Amino acid sequence: NAGVTQTPKFQVLKTGQSMTLQCAQDMNHNSMYWYRQDPGMGLRLIYYSASEGTTDKGEVPNGYNVSRLNKREFSLRLESAAPSQTSVYFCASSEKWAGNQPQHFGDGTRLSIL
Amino acid sequence: KQEVTQIPAALSVPEGENLVLNCSFTDSAIYNLQWFRQDPGKGLTSLLLIQSSQREQTSGRLNASLDKSSGRSTLYIAASQPGDSATYLCAVQDSGYSTLTFGKGTMLLVSP
Repeated sequence: NAGVTQTPKFQVLKTGQSMTLQCAQDMNHNSMYWYRQDPGMGLRLIYYSASEGTTDKGEVPNGYNVSRLNKREFSLRLESAAPSQTSVYFCASSEKWAGNQPQHFGDGTRLSIL
Repeated sequence: KQEVTQIPAALSVPEGENLVLNCSFTDSAIYNLQWFRQDPGKGLTSLLLIQSSQREQTSGRLNASLDKSSGRSTLYIAASQPGDSATYLCAVQDSGYSTLTFGKGTMLLVSP
């Protein structure tokens, strides 16, 4: 099983450009998450989708939008990229929204904004 | 707001040593605590999940303990190996819903 797959793995953008990070899981999980990881800051939750058809803001949602396209796919969009959004972005999924559910992570997208 | 701290930030040990990684959290009303491993350039892999009613969990050479009242957890790695070299992160789930607060991690290097 592939688990959680993120594309692209690396991307360089110019300030003001837009792009969409893609995430797909093949574990039939209900809940999906987007995090960013910055040196000295740890992982911070951007947005999450508790179930298909729902999305909610996490700790650092400004400058981002998300779409839960179907049960498998959850995309993250940067409408007008800023240098402060240079980071490593991780997508994760869990079987359910409630209870003791370990999260499964993709390998990340390394995004650099010039 | 929950804060999670991991000490030390980095640790270097020779192969074969037993070692302890520490995690502390400020709000003891947690639902569970999770330990993850992150290899360079990779995502996080879940190692252990300790429910709030549990005191410890074990998986192979790994043992994680939880003391909710003092806001602490430890990850014990027995007989360390070079393949254990990675960054270890702990995270707490504050409620019955699956959002996590992460620590910044401990970078472990095990030398042959």
